[in-house]
Amino acid sequence: SQQGEEDPQALSIQEGENATMNCSYKTSINNLQWYRQNSGRGLVHLILIRSNEREKHSGRLRVTLDTSKKSSSLLITASRAADTASYFCAPDRSNDYKLSFGAGTTVTVRA
Amino acid sequence: DVKVTQSSRYLVKRTGEKVFLECVQDMDHENMFWYRQDPGLGLRLIYFSYDVKMKEKGDIPEGYSVSREKKERFSLILESASTNQTSMYLCASSGHRLNTEAFFGQGTRLTVV
Repeated sequence: SQQGEEDPQALSIQEGENATMNCSYKTSINNLQWYRQNSGRGLVHLILIRSNEREKHSGRLRVTLDTSKKSSSLLITASRAADTASYFCAPDRSNDYKLSFGAGTTVTVRA
Repeated sequence: DVKVTQSSRYLVKRTGEKVFLECVQDMDHENMFWYRQDPGLGLRLIYFSYDVKMKEKGDIPEGYSVSREKKERFSLILESASTNQTSMYLCASSGHRLNTEAFFGQGTRLTVV
């Protein structure tokens, strides 16, 4: 299936620092989405980047996409305690309606 | 406010029982998904549906079936629950349009004893 693989598995940072996580995938995509999951809850959509876009911003989030390397990165700037969560990428081929996720990156922001 | 609602937050069932997990969305979405989430394994897709009465196997369909009789409702069925089906189950929905996000329910933590 077309699922992304997030790296690293876990990340611990100090409040105010930036957090960067990466996503790699295997086949060509139509878009790539990033989601956040707070402990014990459902996922929440953060940002969607289309295959013809290279970078996208949303508040303190910055997503890049490199289709030649089949990879994406999510940067959270000036992290806060509320950013403590797991983050998942979902590469979307949009030709079979399937939406698959990997194991995610668990981010812990220390006060 | 858009919503995906799962019928139970917590559920405890006995081995061998038939279990129904219900999911309802109010966004008139065509696509609906069922995932299970286990520590270290992330979300794994069990089944999905792109239209009423249509269903497709995901990555781990064994031991599960689904039903989509109405557009807004997608049910996950464990025909004979086993302890290895103890997990967090997440339902999601999305529209058919390109570049569309998925909305998730709050999850059902199922324990099979």
